[in-house]
Amino acid sequence: DAKTTQPTSMDCAEGRAANLPCNHSTISGNEYVYWYRQIHSQGPQYIIHGLKNNETNEMASLIITEDRKSSTLILPHATLRDTAVYYCIVRVYPGGKLIFGQGTELSVKP
Amino acid sequence: KAGVTQTPRYLIKTRGQQVTLSCSPISGHRSVSWYQQTPGQGLQFLFEYFSETQRNKGNFPGRFSGRQFSNSRSEMNVSTLELGDSALYLCASSLAGVKGEVVAGELFFGEGSRLTVL
Repeated sequence: DAKTTQPTSMDCAEGRAANLPCNHSTISGNEYVYWYRQIHSQGPQYIIHGLKNNETNEMASLIITEDRKSSTLILPHATLRDTAVYYCIVRVYPGGKLIFGQGTELSVKP
Repeated sequence: KAGVTQTPRYLIKTRGQQVTLSCSPISGHRSVSWYQQTPGQGLQFLFEYFSETQRNKGNFPGRFSGRQFSNSRSEMNVSTLELGDSALYLCASSLAGVKGEVVAGELFFGEGSRLTVL
């Protein structure tokens, strides 16, 4: 199973872009990169996923390097409500189970 | 559209007892998976069910079991509870293809059942 490496914590000023890196150097060709976040004591919330192309939705953008060994989640205008633990996950096939790492604790400060 | 519903939200048990947790997936979702979250181990995959069949299992002892019903609702059971079983148990549902193949979409998580073992 491909594993991911993320910084333990990051700070971001409110209104600025938050760029959360993730390393997944052992990813296989058919494995997707998923990002989830978990606000304290709630269930994880899906943010975005991608295979090899960059992706954007209403919440965030996902930039995947050409060799697919790393990716960056971008929250374009971070708010205090974006304070959470962000998990970068490589989805294992078949079965689709998620292997969570320790995630990055993002603190958005006024 | 209702989200993933887990019951009970909170419960307290004593060592040696057993517990059953319930999960109702989003309507139309046929794949249900379970995760355990503890401060020390983080989020860990327990098992996944599709069409009443367990098709993936994490590294947990046999005391942890589950099942899925024909309406896709799922239950998990932990027998002979230990102090270390205290955790937030999360259920997630997702779409699955006709043959159960993984659809490259997201998992929707419930709010979890917080179990405390005394």
